Amino acid sequence: QSALTQPASVSGSPGQSITISCTGSNSDVGGYNYVSWYQQSPGKAPKLIMYDVNNRPSGISNRFSGSKSGNTASLAISGLQAEDEADYYCVSYTNSNSWVFGGGTKVTVL
Amino acid sequence: QVWLVESGGGVVEPGRSLRLSCVASGFPFSSYGIHWVRQAPGKGLEWVAVAAILRDGGQNFFADSVRGRFAMSRDNPKNTLYLQINSLRLEDAAVYYCARDSGVARMDVWGQGTTVTVSS
Repeated sequence: QSALTQPASVSGSPGQSITISCTGSNSDVGGYNYVSWYQQSPGKAPKLIMYDVNNRPSGISNRFSGSKSGNTASLAISGLQAEDEADYYCVSYTNSNSWVFGGGTKVTVL
Repeated sequence: QVWLVESGGGVVEPGRSLRLSCVASGFPFSSYGIHWVRQAPGKGLEWVAVAAILRDGGQNFFADSVRGRFAMSRDNPKNTLYLQINSLRLEDAAVYYCARDSGVARMDVWGQGTTVTVSS
């Protein structure tokens, strides 16, 4: 199973909005609404910030939103803040009873 | 409080075996799927395996990269999931996390990770 494709890095100034894409295939992202997103700060475990494409867990800011079109899922962060600087990963369920992560995107707040 | 704690990592020679443990607390362990996810030094997250809970019982699924070398077992009374890693390879060196799945790809509780180093 090939990793989902994410941009290596995305940057933005405080207050701006950014979007991270996560591209797969009909076998994973395009075939199921089981895409989730994780935020990981250096030396820490990943943290769930979006599940089932566009659902936020309790306690996650509404500045984070998720969407999907075809084989590409996206995570948008509005009102970018310094605390949003981290690595972000998408993951999708696949048609072979496996899960596949994206390669990760480093978000930098300028 | 809900938590997961991994243990069992260490420095192991190539070709040897290692068993990792994931102990859960604060939720009905037997009702949740538990994933293993690893992260090699400086690299991204890689899904390794899941001990899934299906309508007709539990079933384990593995990534292609580890199938045949990794095995899992679950001890529900002890709230513990084990990951048996056999024939260790250099590329198995990573931090291994266990994560609870509250849906299908909803890994909402993670442990702090345990580090496996493969070196002769």
